[in-house]
Amino acid sequence: AQKVTQAQTEISVVEKEDVTLDCVYETRDTTYYLFWYKQPPSGELVFLIRRNSFDEQNEISGRYSWNFQKSTSSFNFTITASQVVDSAVYFCALSEILTGGGNKLTFGTGTQLKVEL
Amino acid sequence: DTGVSQNPRHKITKRGQNVTFRCDPISEHNRLYWYRQTLGQGPEFLTYFQNEAQLEKSRLLSDRFSAERPKGSFSTLEIQRTEQGDSAMYLCASSLGQGAYEQYFGPGTRLTVT
Repeated sequence: AQKVTQAQTEISVVEKEDVTLDCVYETRDTTYYLFWYKQPPSGELVFLIRRNSFDEQNEISGRYSWNFQKSTSSFNFTITASQVVDSAVYFCALSEILTGGGNKLTFGTGTQLKVEL
Repeated sequence: DTGVSQNPRHKITKRGQNVTFRCDPISEHNRLYWYRQTLGQGPEFLTYFQNEAQLEKSRLLSDRFSAERPKGSFSTLEIQRTEQGDSAMYLCASSLGQGAYEQYFGPGTRLTVT
Protein backbone atom coordinates (compact mmCIF):
# COMPACT_ATOMS: atom_id res chain seq x y z
CA ALA A 1 0.00 0.00 0.00
CA GLN A 2 1.08 3.54 -0.66
CA LYS A 3 1.97 5.69 2.31
CA VAL A 4 3.19 9.24 2.79
CA THR A 5 4.56 10.51 6.09
CA GLN A 6 4.93 14.15 6.98
CA ALA A 7 6.31 14.00 10.49
CA GLN A 8 6.27 17.76 11.06
CA THR A 9 2.79 18.74 12.14
CA GLU A 10 3.49 22.44 12.55
CA ILE A 11 6.47 24.70 11.91
CA SER A 12 6.77 28.34 12.92
CA VAL A 13 9.42 30.61 11.45
CA VAL A 14 10.15 34.30 11.31
CA GLU A 15 9.91 35.99 7.94
CA LYS A 16 13.03 35.65 5.76
CA GLU A 17 14.10 32.42 7.42
CA ASP A 18 14.57 29.33 5.27
CA VAL A 19 12.38 26.35 6.08
CA THR A 20 12.37 22.72 4.93
CA LEU A 21 9.30 20.53 4.96
CA ASP A 22 9.98 16.81 5.10
CA CYS A 23 8.19 14.06 3.18
CA VAL A 24 8.90 10.34 3.32
CA TYR A 25 6.98 7.89 1.18
CA GLU A 26 6.48 4.14 0.80
CA THR A 27 5.57 2.35 -2.41
CA ARG A 28 6.24 -0.97 -4.11
CA ASP A 29 5.93 0.58 -7.55
CA THR A 30 9.09 1.11 -9.57
CA THR A 31 7.56 4.01 -11.46
CA TYR A 32 5.72 6.60 -9.46
CA TYR A 33 5.10 10.31 -9.16
CA LEU A 34 5.32 12.65 -6.23
CA PHE A 35 3.53 15.94 -5.74
CA TRP A 36 3.45 18.91 -3.42
CA TYR A 37 0.30 20.94 -2.87
CA LYS A 38 -0.30 24.09 -0.84
CA GLN A 39 -3.58 24.66 1.05
CA PRO A 40 -3.90 28.28 2.19
CA PRO A 41 -6.52 29.33 4.75
CA SER A 42 -9.04 29.75 1.92
CA GLY A 43 -8.99 25.96 1.62
CA GLU A 44 -8.29 25.39 -2.07
CA LEU A 45 -5.42 23.02 -2.80
CA VAL A 46 -2.85 24.59 -5.10
CA PHE A 47 -0.55 22.40 -7.19
CA LEU A 48 3.15 23.20 -6.74
CA ILE A 49 5.21 20.46 -8.35
CA ARG A 50 5.18 16.95 -9.83
CA ARG A 51 8.28 14.73 -10.02
CA ASN A 52 8.67 11.25 -11.47
CA SER A 53 10.74 8.51 -9.90
CA PHE A 54 13.30 8.52 -12.71
CA ASP A 55 14.27 12.13 -12.28
CA GLU A 56 16.30 12.74 -9.15
CA GLN A 57 17.54 16.15 -10.14
CA ASN A 58 16.76 18.84 -7.64
CA GLU A 59 14.39 21.49 -8.90
CA ILE A 60 14.23 25.17 -8.12
CA SER A 61 11.38 27.54 -8.85
CA GLY A 62 11.92 31.00 -7.47
CA ARG A 63 12.09 30.71 -3.67
CA TYR A 64 10.95 27.08 -3.80
CA SER A 65 13.24 24.09 -4.20
CA TRP A 66 12.71 20.35 -3.98
CA ASN A 67 15.16 17.61 -3.03
CA PHE A 68 14.19 14.11 -4.23
CA GLN A 69 16.30 11.25 -2.85
CA LYS A 70 15.18 7.82 -3.97
CA SER A 71 17.68 6.08 -1.70
CA THR A 72 15.93 7.45 1.37
CA SER A 73 12.42 7.64 -0.15
CA SER A 74 12.24 11.33 0.58
CA PHE A 75 10.96 14.34 -1.32
CA ASN A 76 11.65 17.42 0.77
CA PHE A 77 10.53 20.95 0.04
CA THR A 78 12.48 24.07 0.97
CA ILE A 79 11.21 27.63 0.99
CA THR A 80 13.99 30.20 0.94
CA ALA A 81 13.48 33.61 2.54
CA SER A 82 9.99 32.74 3.75
CA GLN A 83 7.19 35.31 3.58
CA VAL A 84 3.95 35.70 5.49
CA VAL A 85 2.05 34.70 2.35
CA ASP A 86 3.72 31.29 2.55
CA SER A 87 1.66 30.51 5.64
CA ALA A 88 -0.45 27.49 4.71
CA VAL A 89 -0.71 23.74 5.09
CA TYR A 90 1.58 21.90 2.70
CA PHE A 91 0.81 18.38 1.54
CA CYS A 92 3.06 15.83 -0.06
CA ALA A 93 1.31 13.21 -2.20
CA LEU A 94 2.18 9.97 -4.00
CA SER A 95 0.33 8.81 -7.10
CA GLU A 96 -0.93 5.39 -8.06
CA ILE A 97 -2.06 4.75 -11.60
CA LEU A 98 -5.67 3.58 -11.85
CA THR A 99 -7.72 1.68 -14.40
CA GLY A 100 -8.12 3.81 -17.48
CA GLY A 101 -5.02 5.85 -16.83
CA GLY A 102 -6.14 8.13 -14.06
CA ASN A 103 -4.14 8.51 -10.87
CA LYS A 104 -5.09 8.28 -7.24
CA LEU A 105 -3.23 10.61 -4.91
CA THR A 106 -2.30 9.41 -1.44
CA PHE A 107 -1.64 12.45 0.73
CA GLY A 108 0.33 12.88 3.90
CA THR A 109 -1.24 14.54 6.93
CA GLY A 110 0.26 17.89 5.98
CA THR A 111 2.59 20.37 7.64
CA GLN A 112 1.15 23.64 8.91
CA LEU A 113 3.66 26.42 8.19
CA LYS A 114 3.29 29.70 10.05
CA VAL A 115 5.47 32.58 8.97
CA GLU A 116 5.47 35.51 11.37
CA LEU A 117 6.79 39.03 11.04
CA ASP B 1 -9.55 28.40 -17.59
CA THR B 2 -12.02 29.33 -14.92
CA GLY B 3 -10.87 26.58 -12.59
CA VAL B 4 -12.80 23.83 -10.86
CA SER B 5 -15.97 25.06 -9.18
CA GLN B 6 -18.04 23.37 -6.51
CA ASN B 7 -21.50 24.09 -5.14
CA PRO B 8 -22.60 24.63 -2.52
CA ARG B 9 -19.56 25.81 -0.58
CA HIS B 10 -21.16 24.97 2.73
CA LYS B 11 -23.96 22.62 3.66
CA ILE B 12 -25.49 22.03 7.07
CA THR B 13 -27.91 19.16 7.31
CA LYS B 14 -29.58 17.04 9.92
CA ARG B 15 -28.65 13.44 10.42
CA GLY B 16 -30.65 11.18 8.14
CA GLN B 17 -31.16 13.73 5.37
CA ASN B 18 -29.85 13.34 1.83
CA VAL B 19 -27.43 15.85 0.34
CA THR B 20 -26.06 16.39 -3.15
CA PHE B 21 -22.95 18.29 -4.18
CA ARG B 22 -21.99 19.47 -7.62
CA CYS B 23 -18.59 19.81 -9.26
CA ASP B 24 -17.81 21.57 -12.53
CA PRO B 25 -14.34 20.62 -13.75
CA ILE B 26 -12.03 22.63 -15.92
CA SER B 27 -13.46 22.44 -19.41
CA GLU B 28 -11.91 19.72 -21.58
CA HIS B 29 -10.52 17.88 -18.55
CA ASN B 30 -11.56 14.28 -19.11
CA ARG B 31 -10.76 13.00 -15.64
CA LEU B 32 -12.64 13.96 -12.51
CA TYR B 33 -11.92 12.94 -8.93
CA TRP B 34 -13.68 13.19 -5.59
CA TYR B 35 -11.77 13.32 -2.31
CA ARG B 36 -12.82 13.77 1.30
CA GLN B 37 -10.80 15.72 3.83
CA THR B 38 -11.38 15.72 7.58
CA LEU B 39 -9.84 18.16 10.03
CA GLY B 40 -6.10 17.76 10.40
CA GLN B 41 -5.84 15.15 7.67
CA GLY B 42 -4.90 15.08 4.03
CA PRO B 43 -7.52 14.44 1.37
CA GLU B 44 -8.57 10.83 0.87
CA PHE B 45 -9.54 9.45 -2.51
CA LEU B 46 -13.19 8.51 -2.97
CA THR B 47 -13.84 7.92 -6.66
CA TYR B 48 -12.74 8.77 -10.19
CA PHE B 49 -14.34 9.27 -13.58
CA GLN B 50 -12.91 9.14 -17.03
CA ASN B 51 -15.41 11.06 -19.11
CA GLU B 52 -18.78 9.65 -17.98
CA ALA B 53 -17.46 6.28 -16.78
CA GLN B 54 -16.85 5.74 -13.08
CA LEU B 55 -13.71 3.59 -13.14
CA GLU B 56 -12.62 3.37 -9.53
CA LYS B 57 -14.27 3.59 -6.11
CA SER B 58 -12.59 3.57 -2.74
CA ARG B 59 -13.72 1.29 0.05
CA LEU B 60 -14.41 4.56 1.88
CA LEU B 61 -17.35 5.03 -0.46
CA SER B 62 -20.14 3.20 1.34
CA ASP B 63 -23.39 2.28 -0.39
CA ARG B 64 -24.90 5.51 0.96
CA PHE B 65 -22.64 7.41 -1.41
CA SER B 66 -23.23 7.65 -5.13
CA ALA B 67 -21.51 9.72 -7.78
CA GLU B 68 -22.40 10.45 -11.36
CA ARG B 69 -20.93 12.33 -14.25
CA PRO B 70 -23.56 12.44 -16.97
CA LYS B 71 -22.26 13.36 -20.41
CA GLY B 72 -18.75 13.57 -19.05
CA SER B 73 -19.07 17.15 -17.91
CA PHE B 74 -20.13 18.13 -14.37
CA SER B 75 -20.36 15.56 -11.59
CA THR B 76 -22.62 15.10 -8.58
CA LEU B 77 -21.90 13.34 -5.32
CA GLU B 78 -24.93 12.29 -3.28
CA ILE B 79 -24.91 11.10 0.29
CA GLN B 80 -28.07 9.38 1.49
CA ARG B 81 -29.11 9.11 5.14
CA THR B 82 -26.26 11.30 6.31
CA GLU B 83 -24.44 10.45 9.52
CA GLN B 84 -22.36 12.69 11.77
CA GLY B 85 -19.25 10.88 10.58
CA ASP B 86 -19.90 12.22 7.09
CA SER B 87 -19.01 15.72 8.25
CA ALA B 88 -15.98 16.71 6.20
CA MET B 89 -14.76 18.80 3.30
CA TYR B 90 -15.59 17.17 -0.03
CA LEU B 91 -13.09 18.11 -2.72
CA CYS B 92 -13.36 17.71 -6.45
CA ALA B 93 -10.39 17.72 -8.80
CA SER B 94 -9.91 17.36 -12.53
CA SER B 95 -7.04 16.55 -14.82
CA LEU B 96 -6.27 16.21 -18.49
CA GLY B 97 -4.41 13.40 -20.14
CA GLN B 98 -3.40 9.91 -19.21
CA GLY B 99 -1.10 9.08 -16.36
CA ALA B 100 0.06 10.95 -13.33
CA TYR B 101 -0.81 14.42 -14.44
CA GLU B 102 -1.41 17.02 -11.80
CA GLN B 103 -4.93 17.36 -10.51
CA TYR B 104 -6.50 20.77 -10.10
CA PHE B 105 -8.74 21.09 -7.10
CA GLY B 106 -11.88 23.07 -6.47
CA PRO B 107 -12.61 25.04 -3.28
CA GLY B 108 -14.55 22.16 -1.75
CA THR B 109 -17.95 21.74 -0.13
CA ARG B 110 -17.89 21.71 3.66
CA LEU B 111 -20.58 19.39 5.02
CA THR B 112 -21.72 19.58 8.61
CA VAL B 113 -24.14 16.93 9.82
CA THR B 114 -25.92 17.86 13.07
